[in-house]
Amino acid sequence: GENVEQHPSTLSVQEGDSAVIKCTYSDSASNYFPWYKQELGKGPQLIIDIRSNVGEKKDQRIAVTLNKTAKHFSLHITETQPEDSAVYFCAASEGSGTYKYIFGTGTRLKVLA
Amino acid sequence: GAGVSQSPRYKVAKRGQDVALRCDPISGHVSLFWYQQALGQGPEFLTYFQNEAQLDKSGLPSDRFFAERPEGSVSTLKIQRTQQEDSAVYLCASSPGGGEGGLFGPGTRLTVT
Repeated sequence: GENVEQHPSTLSVQEGDSAVIKCTYSDSASNYFPWYKQELGKGPQLIIDIRSNVGEKKDQRIAVTLNKTAKHFSLHITETQPEDSAVYFCAASEGSGTYKYIFGTGTRLKVLA
Repeated sequence: GAGVSQSPRYKVAKRGQDVALRCDPISGHVSLFWYQQALGQGPEFLTYFQNEAQLDKSGLPSDRFFAERPEGSVSTLKIQRTQQEDSAVYLCASSPGGGEGGLFGPGTRLTVT
């Protein structure tokens, strides 16, 4: 089955700097890759997603890149702000289905003011 | 409602007790998912409903876990004879069509003592 690895587990950046979180997946049939932000005591919130037929997607300060050949995808946050501090999870669809996702273990991002 | 709601938000059960966790999805959402999130980990898939049909229950850890969505809206996750290893946050998510873009609720934190 699908396996998703996520790095780093913790990341501290200065406000205004960029943050990059990387994930790898094992199932070449996976075709949908969402990213979630989870704040303390809340459920995961979808922040951006990408499909396997696209190499890059951007939404304001957030971008995601996908390398299907290498089976890895990354989240890039530019001009970080203190409110970006949270746990971020990557996920990959199991096979080509779109309802079952395998999550990474999470990255705790701390933005220092 | 404005989002996915779950109740109770916190539940403490003695080992061996039965518990029922409720999920109210966004009105009209066809798909509903349950995930289990252990402390410090990413969510793990439990089960998936499309309307009232439970299409995938492959993630349920044992036959003590049972989920239903009898009228295609509200869903209940029931855990019988709770064990300490069942302690986790149980997350519910819903989406309008298939699985993409699922919106998570705040979760129910279950503690088994």
